[in-house]
Amino acid sequence: DGGITQSPKYLFRKEGQNVTLSCEQNLNHDAMYWYRQDPGQGLRLIYYSQIVNDFQKGDIAEGYSVSREKKESFPLTVTSAQKNPTAFYLCASSMRETRLTDTQYFGPGTRLTVL
Amino acid sequence: AQSVAQPEDQVNVAEGNPLTVKCTYSVSGNPYLFWYVQYPNRGLQFLLKYITGDNLVKGSYGFEAEFNKSQTSFHLKKPSALVSDSALYFCAVRDADNFNKFYFGSGTKLNVKP
Repeated sequence: DGGITQSPKYLFRKEGQNVTLSCEQNLNHDAMYWYRQDPGQGLRLIYYSQIVNDFQKGDIAEGYSVSREKKESFPLTVTSAQKNPTAFYLCASSMRETRLTDTQYFGPGTRLTVL
Repeated sequence: AQSVAQPEDQVNVAEGNPLTVKCTYSVSGNPYLFWYVQYPNRGLQFLLKYITGDNLVKGSYGFEAEFNKSQTSFHLKKPSALVSDSALYFCAVRDADNFNKFYFGSGTKLNVKP
């Protein structure tokens, strides 16, 4: 899992609550990403960020928000507007988003369950 | 549009036998292809990538992948499977128009039996 940490590992939320998932990297990577993983569906991109104070929506951004105030950190907030938030969330980073050869490195993931 | 397909949800092999996990791709330009492995409740680990050059790419843990342009395939292979290779494998392609986007297949569960 490299130098990317995600916390908590497991998270339980009541309906109507917002929760924030943490992602920190010490790889000095510029780009960071959030994915959602559901069984049998592969990974879907939620948000990504190329540099500090900038981020872009991915394919399934509705009901989620992010911030990128520091290079090392890219927290994801799952809001009450997300209708089906129960999933496994993966954070990733890569050196430079403009280089096609760069590989993404993934954190260990956070499993979110809505009760 | 870019996409990858993994036609098999599950692959079963006996330990010591060769294994193949299939991936086909669809891209509008040059393909930039990746293989990742995921163990239960863990993040994805990078195995190997194809950018350009030799069609046979060697990666981590004895895995290799064969790029076939005419068949638009990028199958993952290993000559002799280990029980510890049992995991979920993902093929991915990078979007050449938007470098930030990786498109992942739905994953193939590899079961290696002793």
